[in-house]
Amino acid sequence: DVKVTQSSRYLVKRTGEKVFLECVQDMDHENMFWYRQDPGLGLRLIYFSYDVKMKEKGDIPEGYSVSREKKERFSLILESASTNQTSMYLCASSLTSGGAVEQFFGPGTRLTVL
Amino acid sequence: RKEVEQDPGPFNVPEGATVAFNCTYSNSASQSFFWYRQDCRKEPKLLMSVYSSGNEDGRFTAQLNRASQYISLLIRDSKLSDSATYLCVVNRLDTGRRALTFGSGTRLQVQP
Repeated sequence: DVKVTQSSRYLVKRTGEKVFLECVQDMDHENMFWYRQDPGLGLRLIYFSYDVKMKEKGDIPEGYSVSREKKERFSLILESASTNQTSMYLCASSLTSGGAVEQFFGPGTRLTVL
Repeated sequence: RKEVEQDPGPFNVPEGATVAFNCTYSNSASQSFFWYRQDCRKEPKLLMSVYSSGNEDGRFTAQLNRASQYISLLIRDSKLSDSATYLCVVNRLDTGRRALTFGSGTRLQVQP
């Protein structure tokens, strides 16, 4: 079974702190994604990566950066956390094929910024 | 206009009922379609892919109508364990088709 793990289930940070969210997958997937999920807005793509050291902006990249130094690990960084970044953050991974394929999600990190 | 639109519900149905959800998508060039299920406070998981000819998996049937740009999910003989949020998902064409666009979800509550 594909396993996607995230470093924390719950996180509380203060405004202005630098926040690191880590995601690790164990199935040698090329693609990795970071989403945030908010009530009524669904999942919104922040960034994704299709290879080591490669990254692409999603729909809401402002205030976030990412790092992919190893194939299995994709990190989301909040450079200076703000209260409007309080949300559920979900990491996902998938294989590359000729078309879109199943994405496997981690359990999520619920981040609260005070 | 949202790329993927769903009725948020909730749909409250008794056990054994048949319930159907629809979802519309805005990009006529979209090629891959899915239904994901998300339980309360859990991550989304793939329920089924949606094929042009329609497909069935046990009590679940998915249909695609390209002309009208909508996808449907039919659940027969609802179980209490079907209570969840159902996410309509379409592939994104702007990302080499690697990424997906998720609807906001339709909440189903099956009652005893």
